Amino acid sequence: NAGVTQTPKFRILKIGQSMTLQCTQDMNHNYMYWYRQDPGMGLKLIYYSVGAGITDKGEVPNGYNVSRSTTEDFPLRLELAAPSQTSVYFCASSLDFNTGELFFGEGSRLTVL
Amino acid sequence: TQLLEQSPQFLSIQEGENLTVYCNSSSVFSSLQWYRQEPGEGPVLLVTVVTGGEVKKLKRLTFQFGDARKDSSLHITAAQPGDTGLYLCAGVRDMRFGAGTRLTVKP
Repeated sequence: NAGVTQTPKFRILKIGQSMTLQCTQDMNHNYMYWYRQDPGMGLKLIYYSVGAGITDKGEVPNGYNVSRSTTEDFPLRLELAAPSQTSVYFCASSLDFNTGELFFGEGSRLTVL
Repeated sequence: TQLLEQSPQFLSIQEGENLTVYCNSSSVFSSLQWYRQEPGEGPVLLVTVVTGGEVKKLKRLTFQFGDARKDSSLHITAAQPGDTGLYLCAGVRDMRFGAGTRLTVKP
């Protein structure tokens, strides 16, 4: 059972570079989310989507962009990477917005030097 | 913005001890969830509490939702090393998480 799959698992970027974190889910969930987790901290919501073609900002959207062209995929784009974006990024999906369980990927560890 | 405050931030105990961790807010939540995250992995749902005053048990874990639906607690009985991890509470519709309690259970 694949669930939520994130790639890459690890990446090192130089300041100013750009990259895309990929996220795919095979559970036919409408709701998808991107979180970042800094060392020793909880999760902060970057962007979320309630369905294909619909995205919205979370707590910390600056420096990131997302798109949702299909139900399955929710890529996160980092433009002009900065050291402050060094973090572990988690993609999640859920079936039900009101009481639904969030299913998380294994995370993508990004270091910006 | 509904902020969730978790306490304690860190907790280190010996195997067999009991413990309680807390999740508090000044706002009312329709429902709260508790997740556990192990190193190198994403969080995994433990429970969802919906009704004020609700108590749910999951083996040695007991979850309680406050009567006013502003707070929740997680009690672990006879902790085991396998309980080690980061315990996070989250407001369901809010999509936001507390900072977590990092629990270490020593053999």
